Amino acid sequence: DTEVTQTPKHLVMGMTNKKSLKCEQHMGHRAMYWYKQKAKKPPELMFVYSYEKLSINESVPSRFSPECPNSSLLNLHLHALQPEDSALYLCASSQDAFNYGYTFGSGTRLTVV
Amino acid sequence: ILNVEQSPQSLHVQEGDSTNFTCSFPSSNFYALHWYRWETAKSPEALFVMTLNGDEKKKGRISATLNTKEGYSYLYIKGSQPEDSATYLCAHKSNFGNEKLTFGTGTRLTIIP
Repeated sequence: DTEVTQTPKHLVMGMTNKKSLKCEQHMGHRAMYWYKQKAKKPPELMFVYSYEKLSINESVPSRFSPECPNSSLLNLHLHALQPEDSALYLCASSQDAFNYGYTFGSGTRLTVV
Repeated sequence: ILNVEQSPQSLHVQEGDSTNFTCSFPSSNFYALHWYRWETAKSPEALFVMTLNGDEKKKGRISATLNTKEGYSYLYIKGSQPEDSATYLCAHKSNFGNEKLTFGTGTRLTIIP
């Protein structure tokens, strides 16, 4: 298995909703990432998990809450989002956080209404 | 250069022609430079991870060079084919926080049959 699987592919949520994005890989990668991409902008790093520990939080608002329950799974819990949080959320993994290329999922297109 | 910059933003190339584009990045405290290809409705795909000044890497008709002293990398595509149409992203890591990969805005390449 050489893929990163993200679910759901599309999500529409209201500003009072709580939802979660899920990311899974079975390549034995020990680093996992969340990126956010808005139209015509580069992907922006949100969080880095290395060996299941949060190693980077790029000053992301607390309405985004990451979780890494095990080495194969990465979640992003969403609560009280704003319309400006609408974006493509990309998950990626790599063998470690330093020396390898990333394998990306196809993303979750999130719309906050 | 403080950020990762790519030029041109977009490019139309006749099928069969060769082309190249540029990634500029901060030259101080360099750690690594990545190249990714991102086709519409797919996941970004890793092309190269480059770490050494003067490095040249090749994958089929695509190759890349790296100059860490002056802070630039070139991506070359020889004999463009329609399947090369994609956005090409470069991304940079520095020695300060080398778990963080910072992306450029990409070069959108369209091959005209």
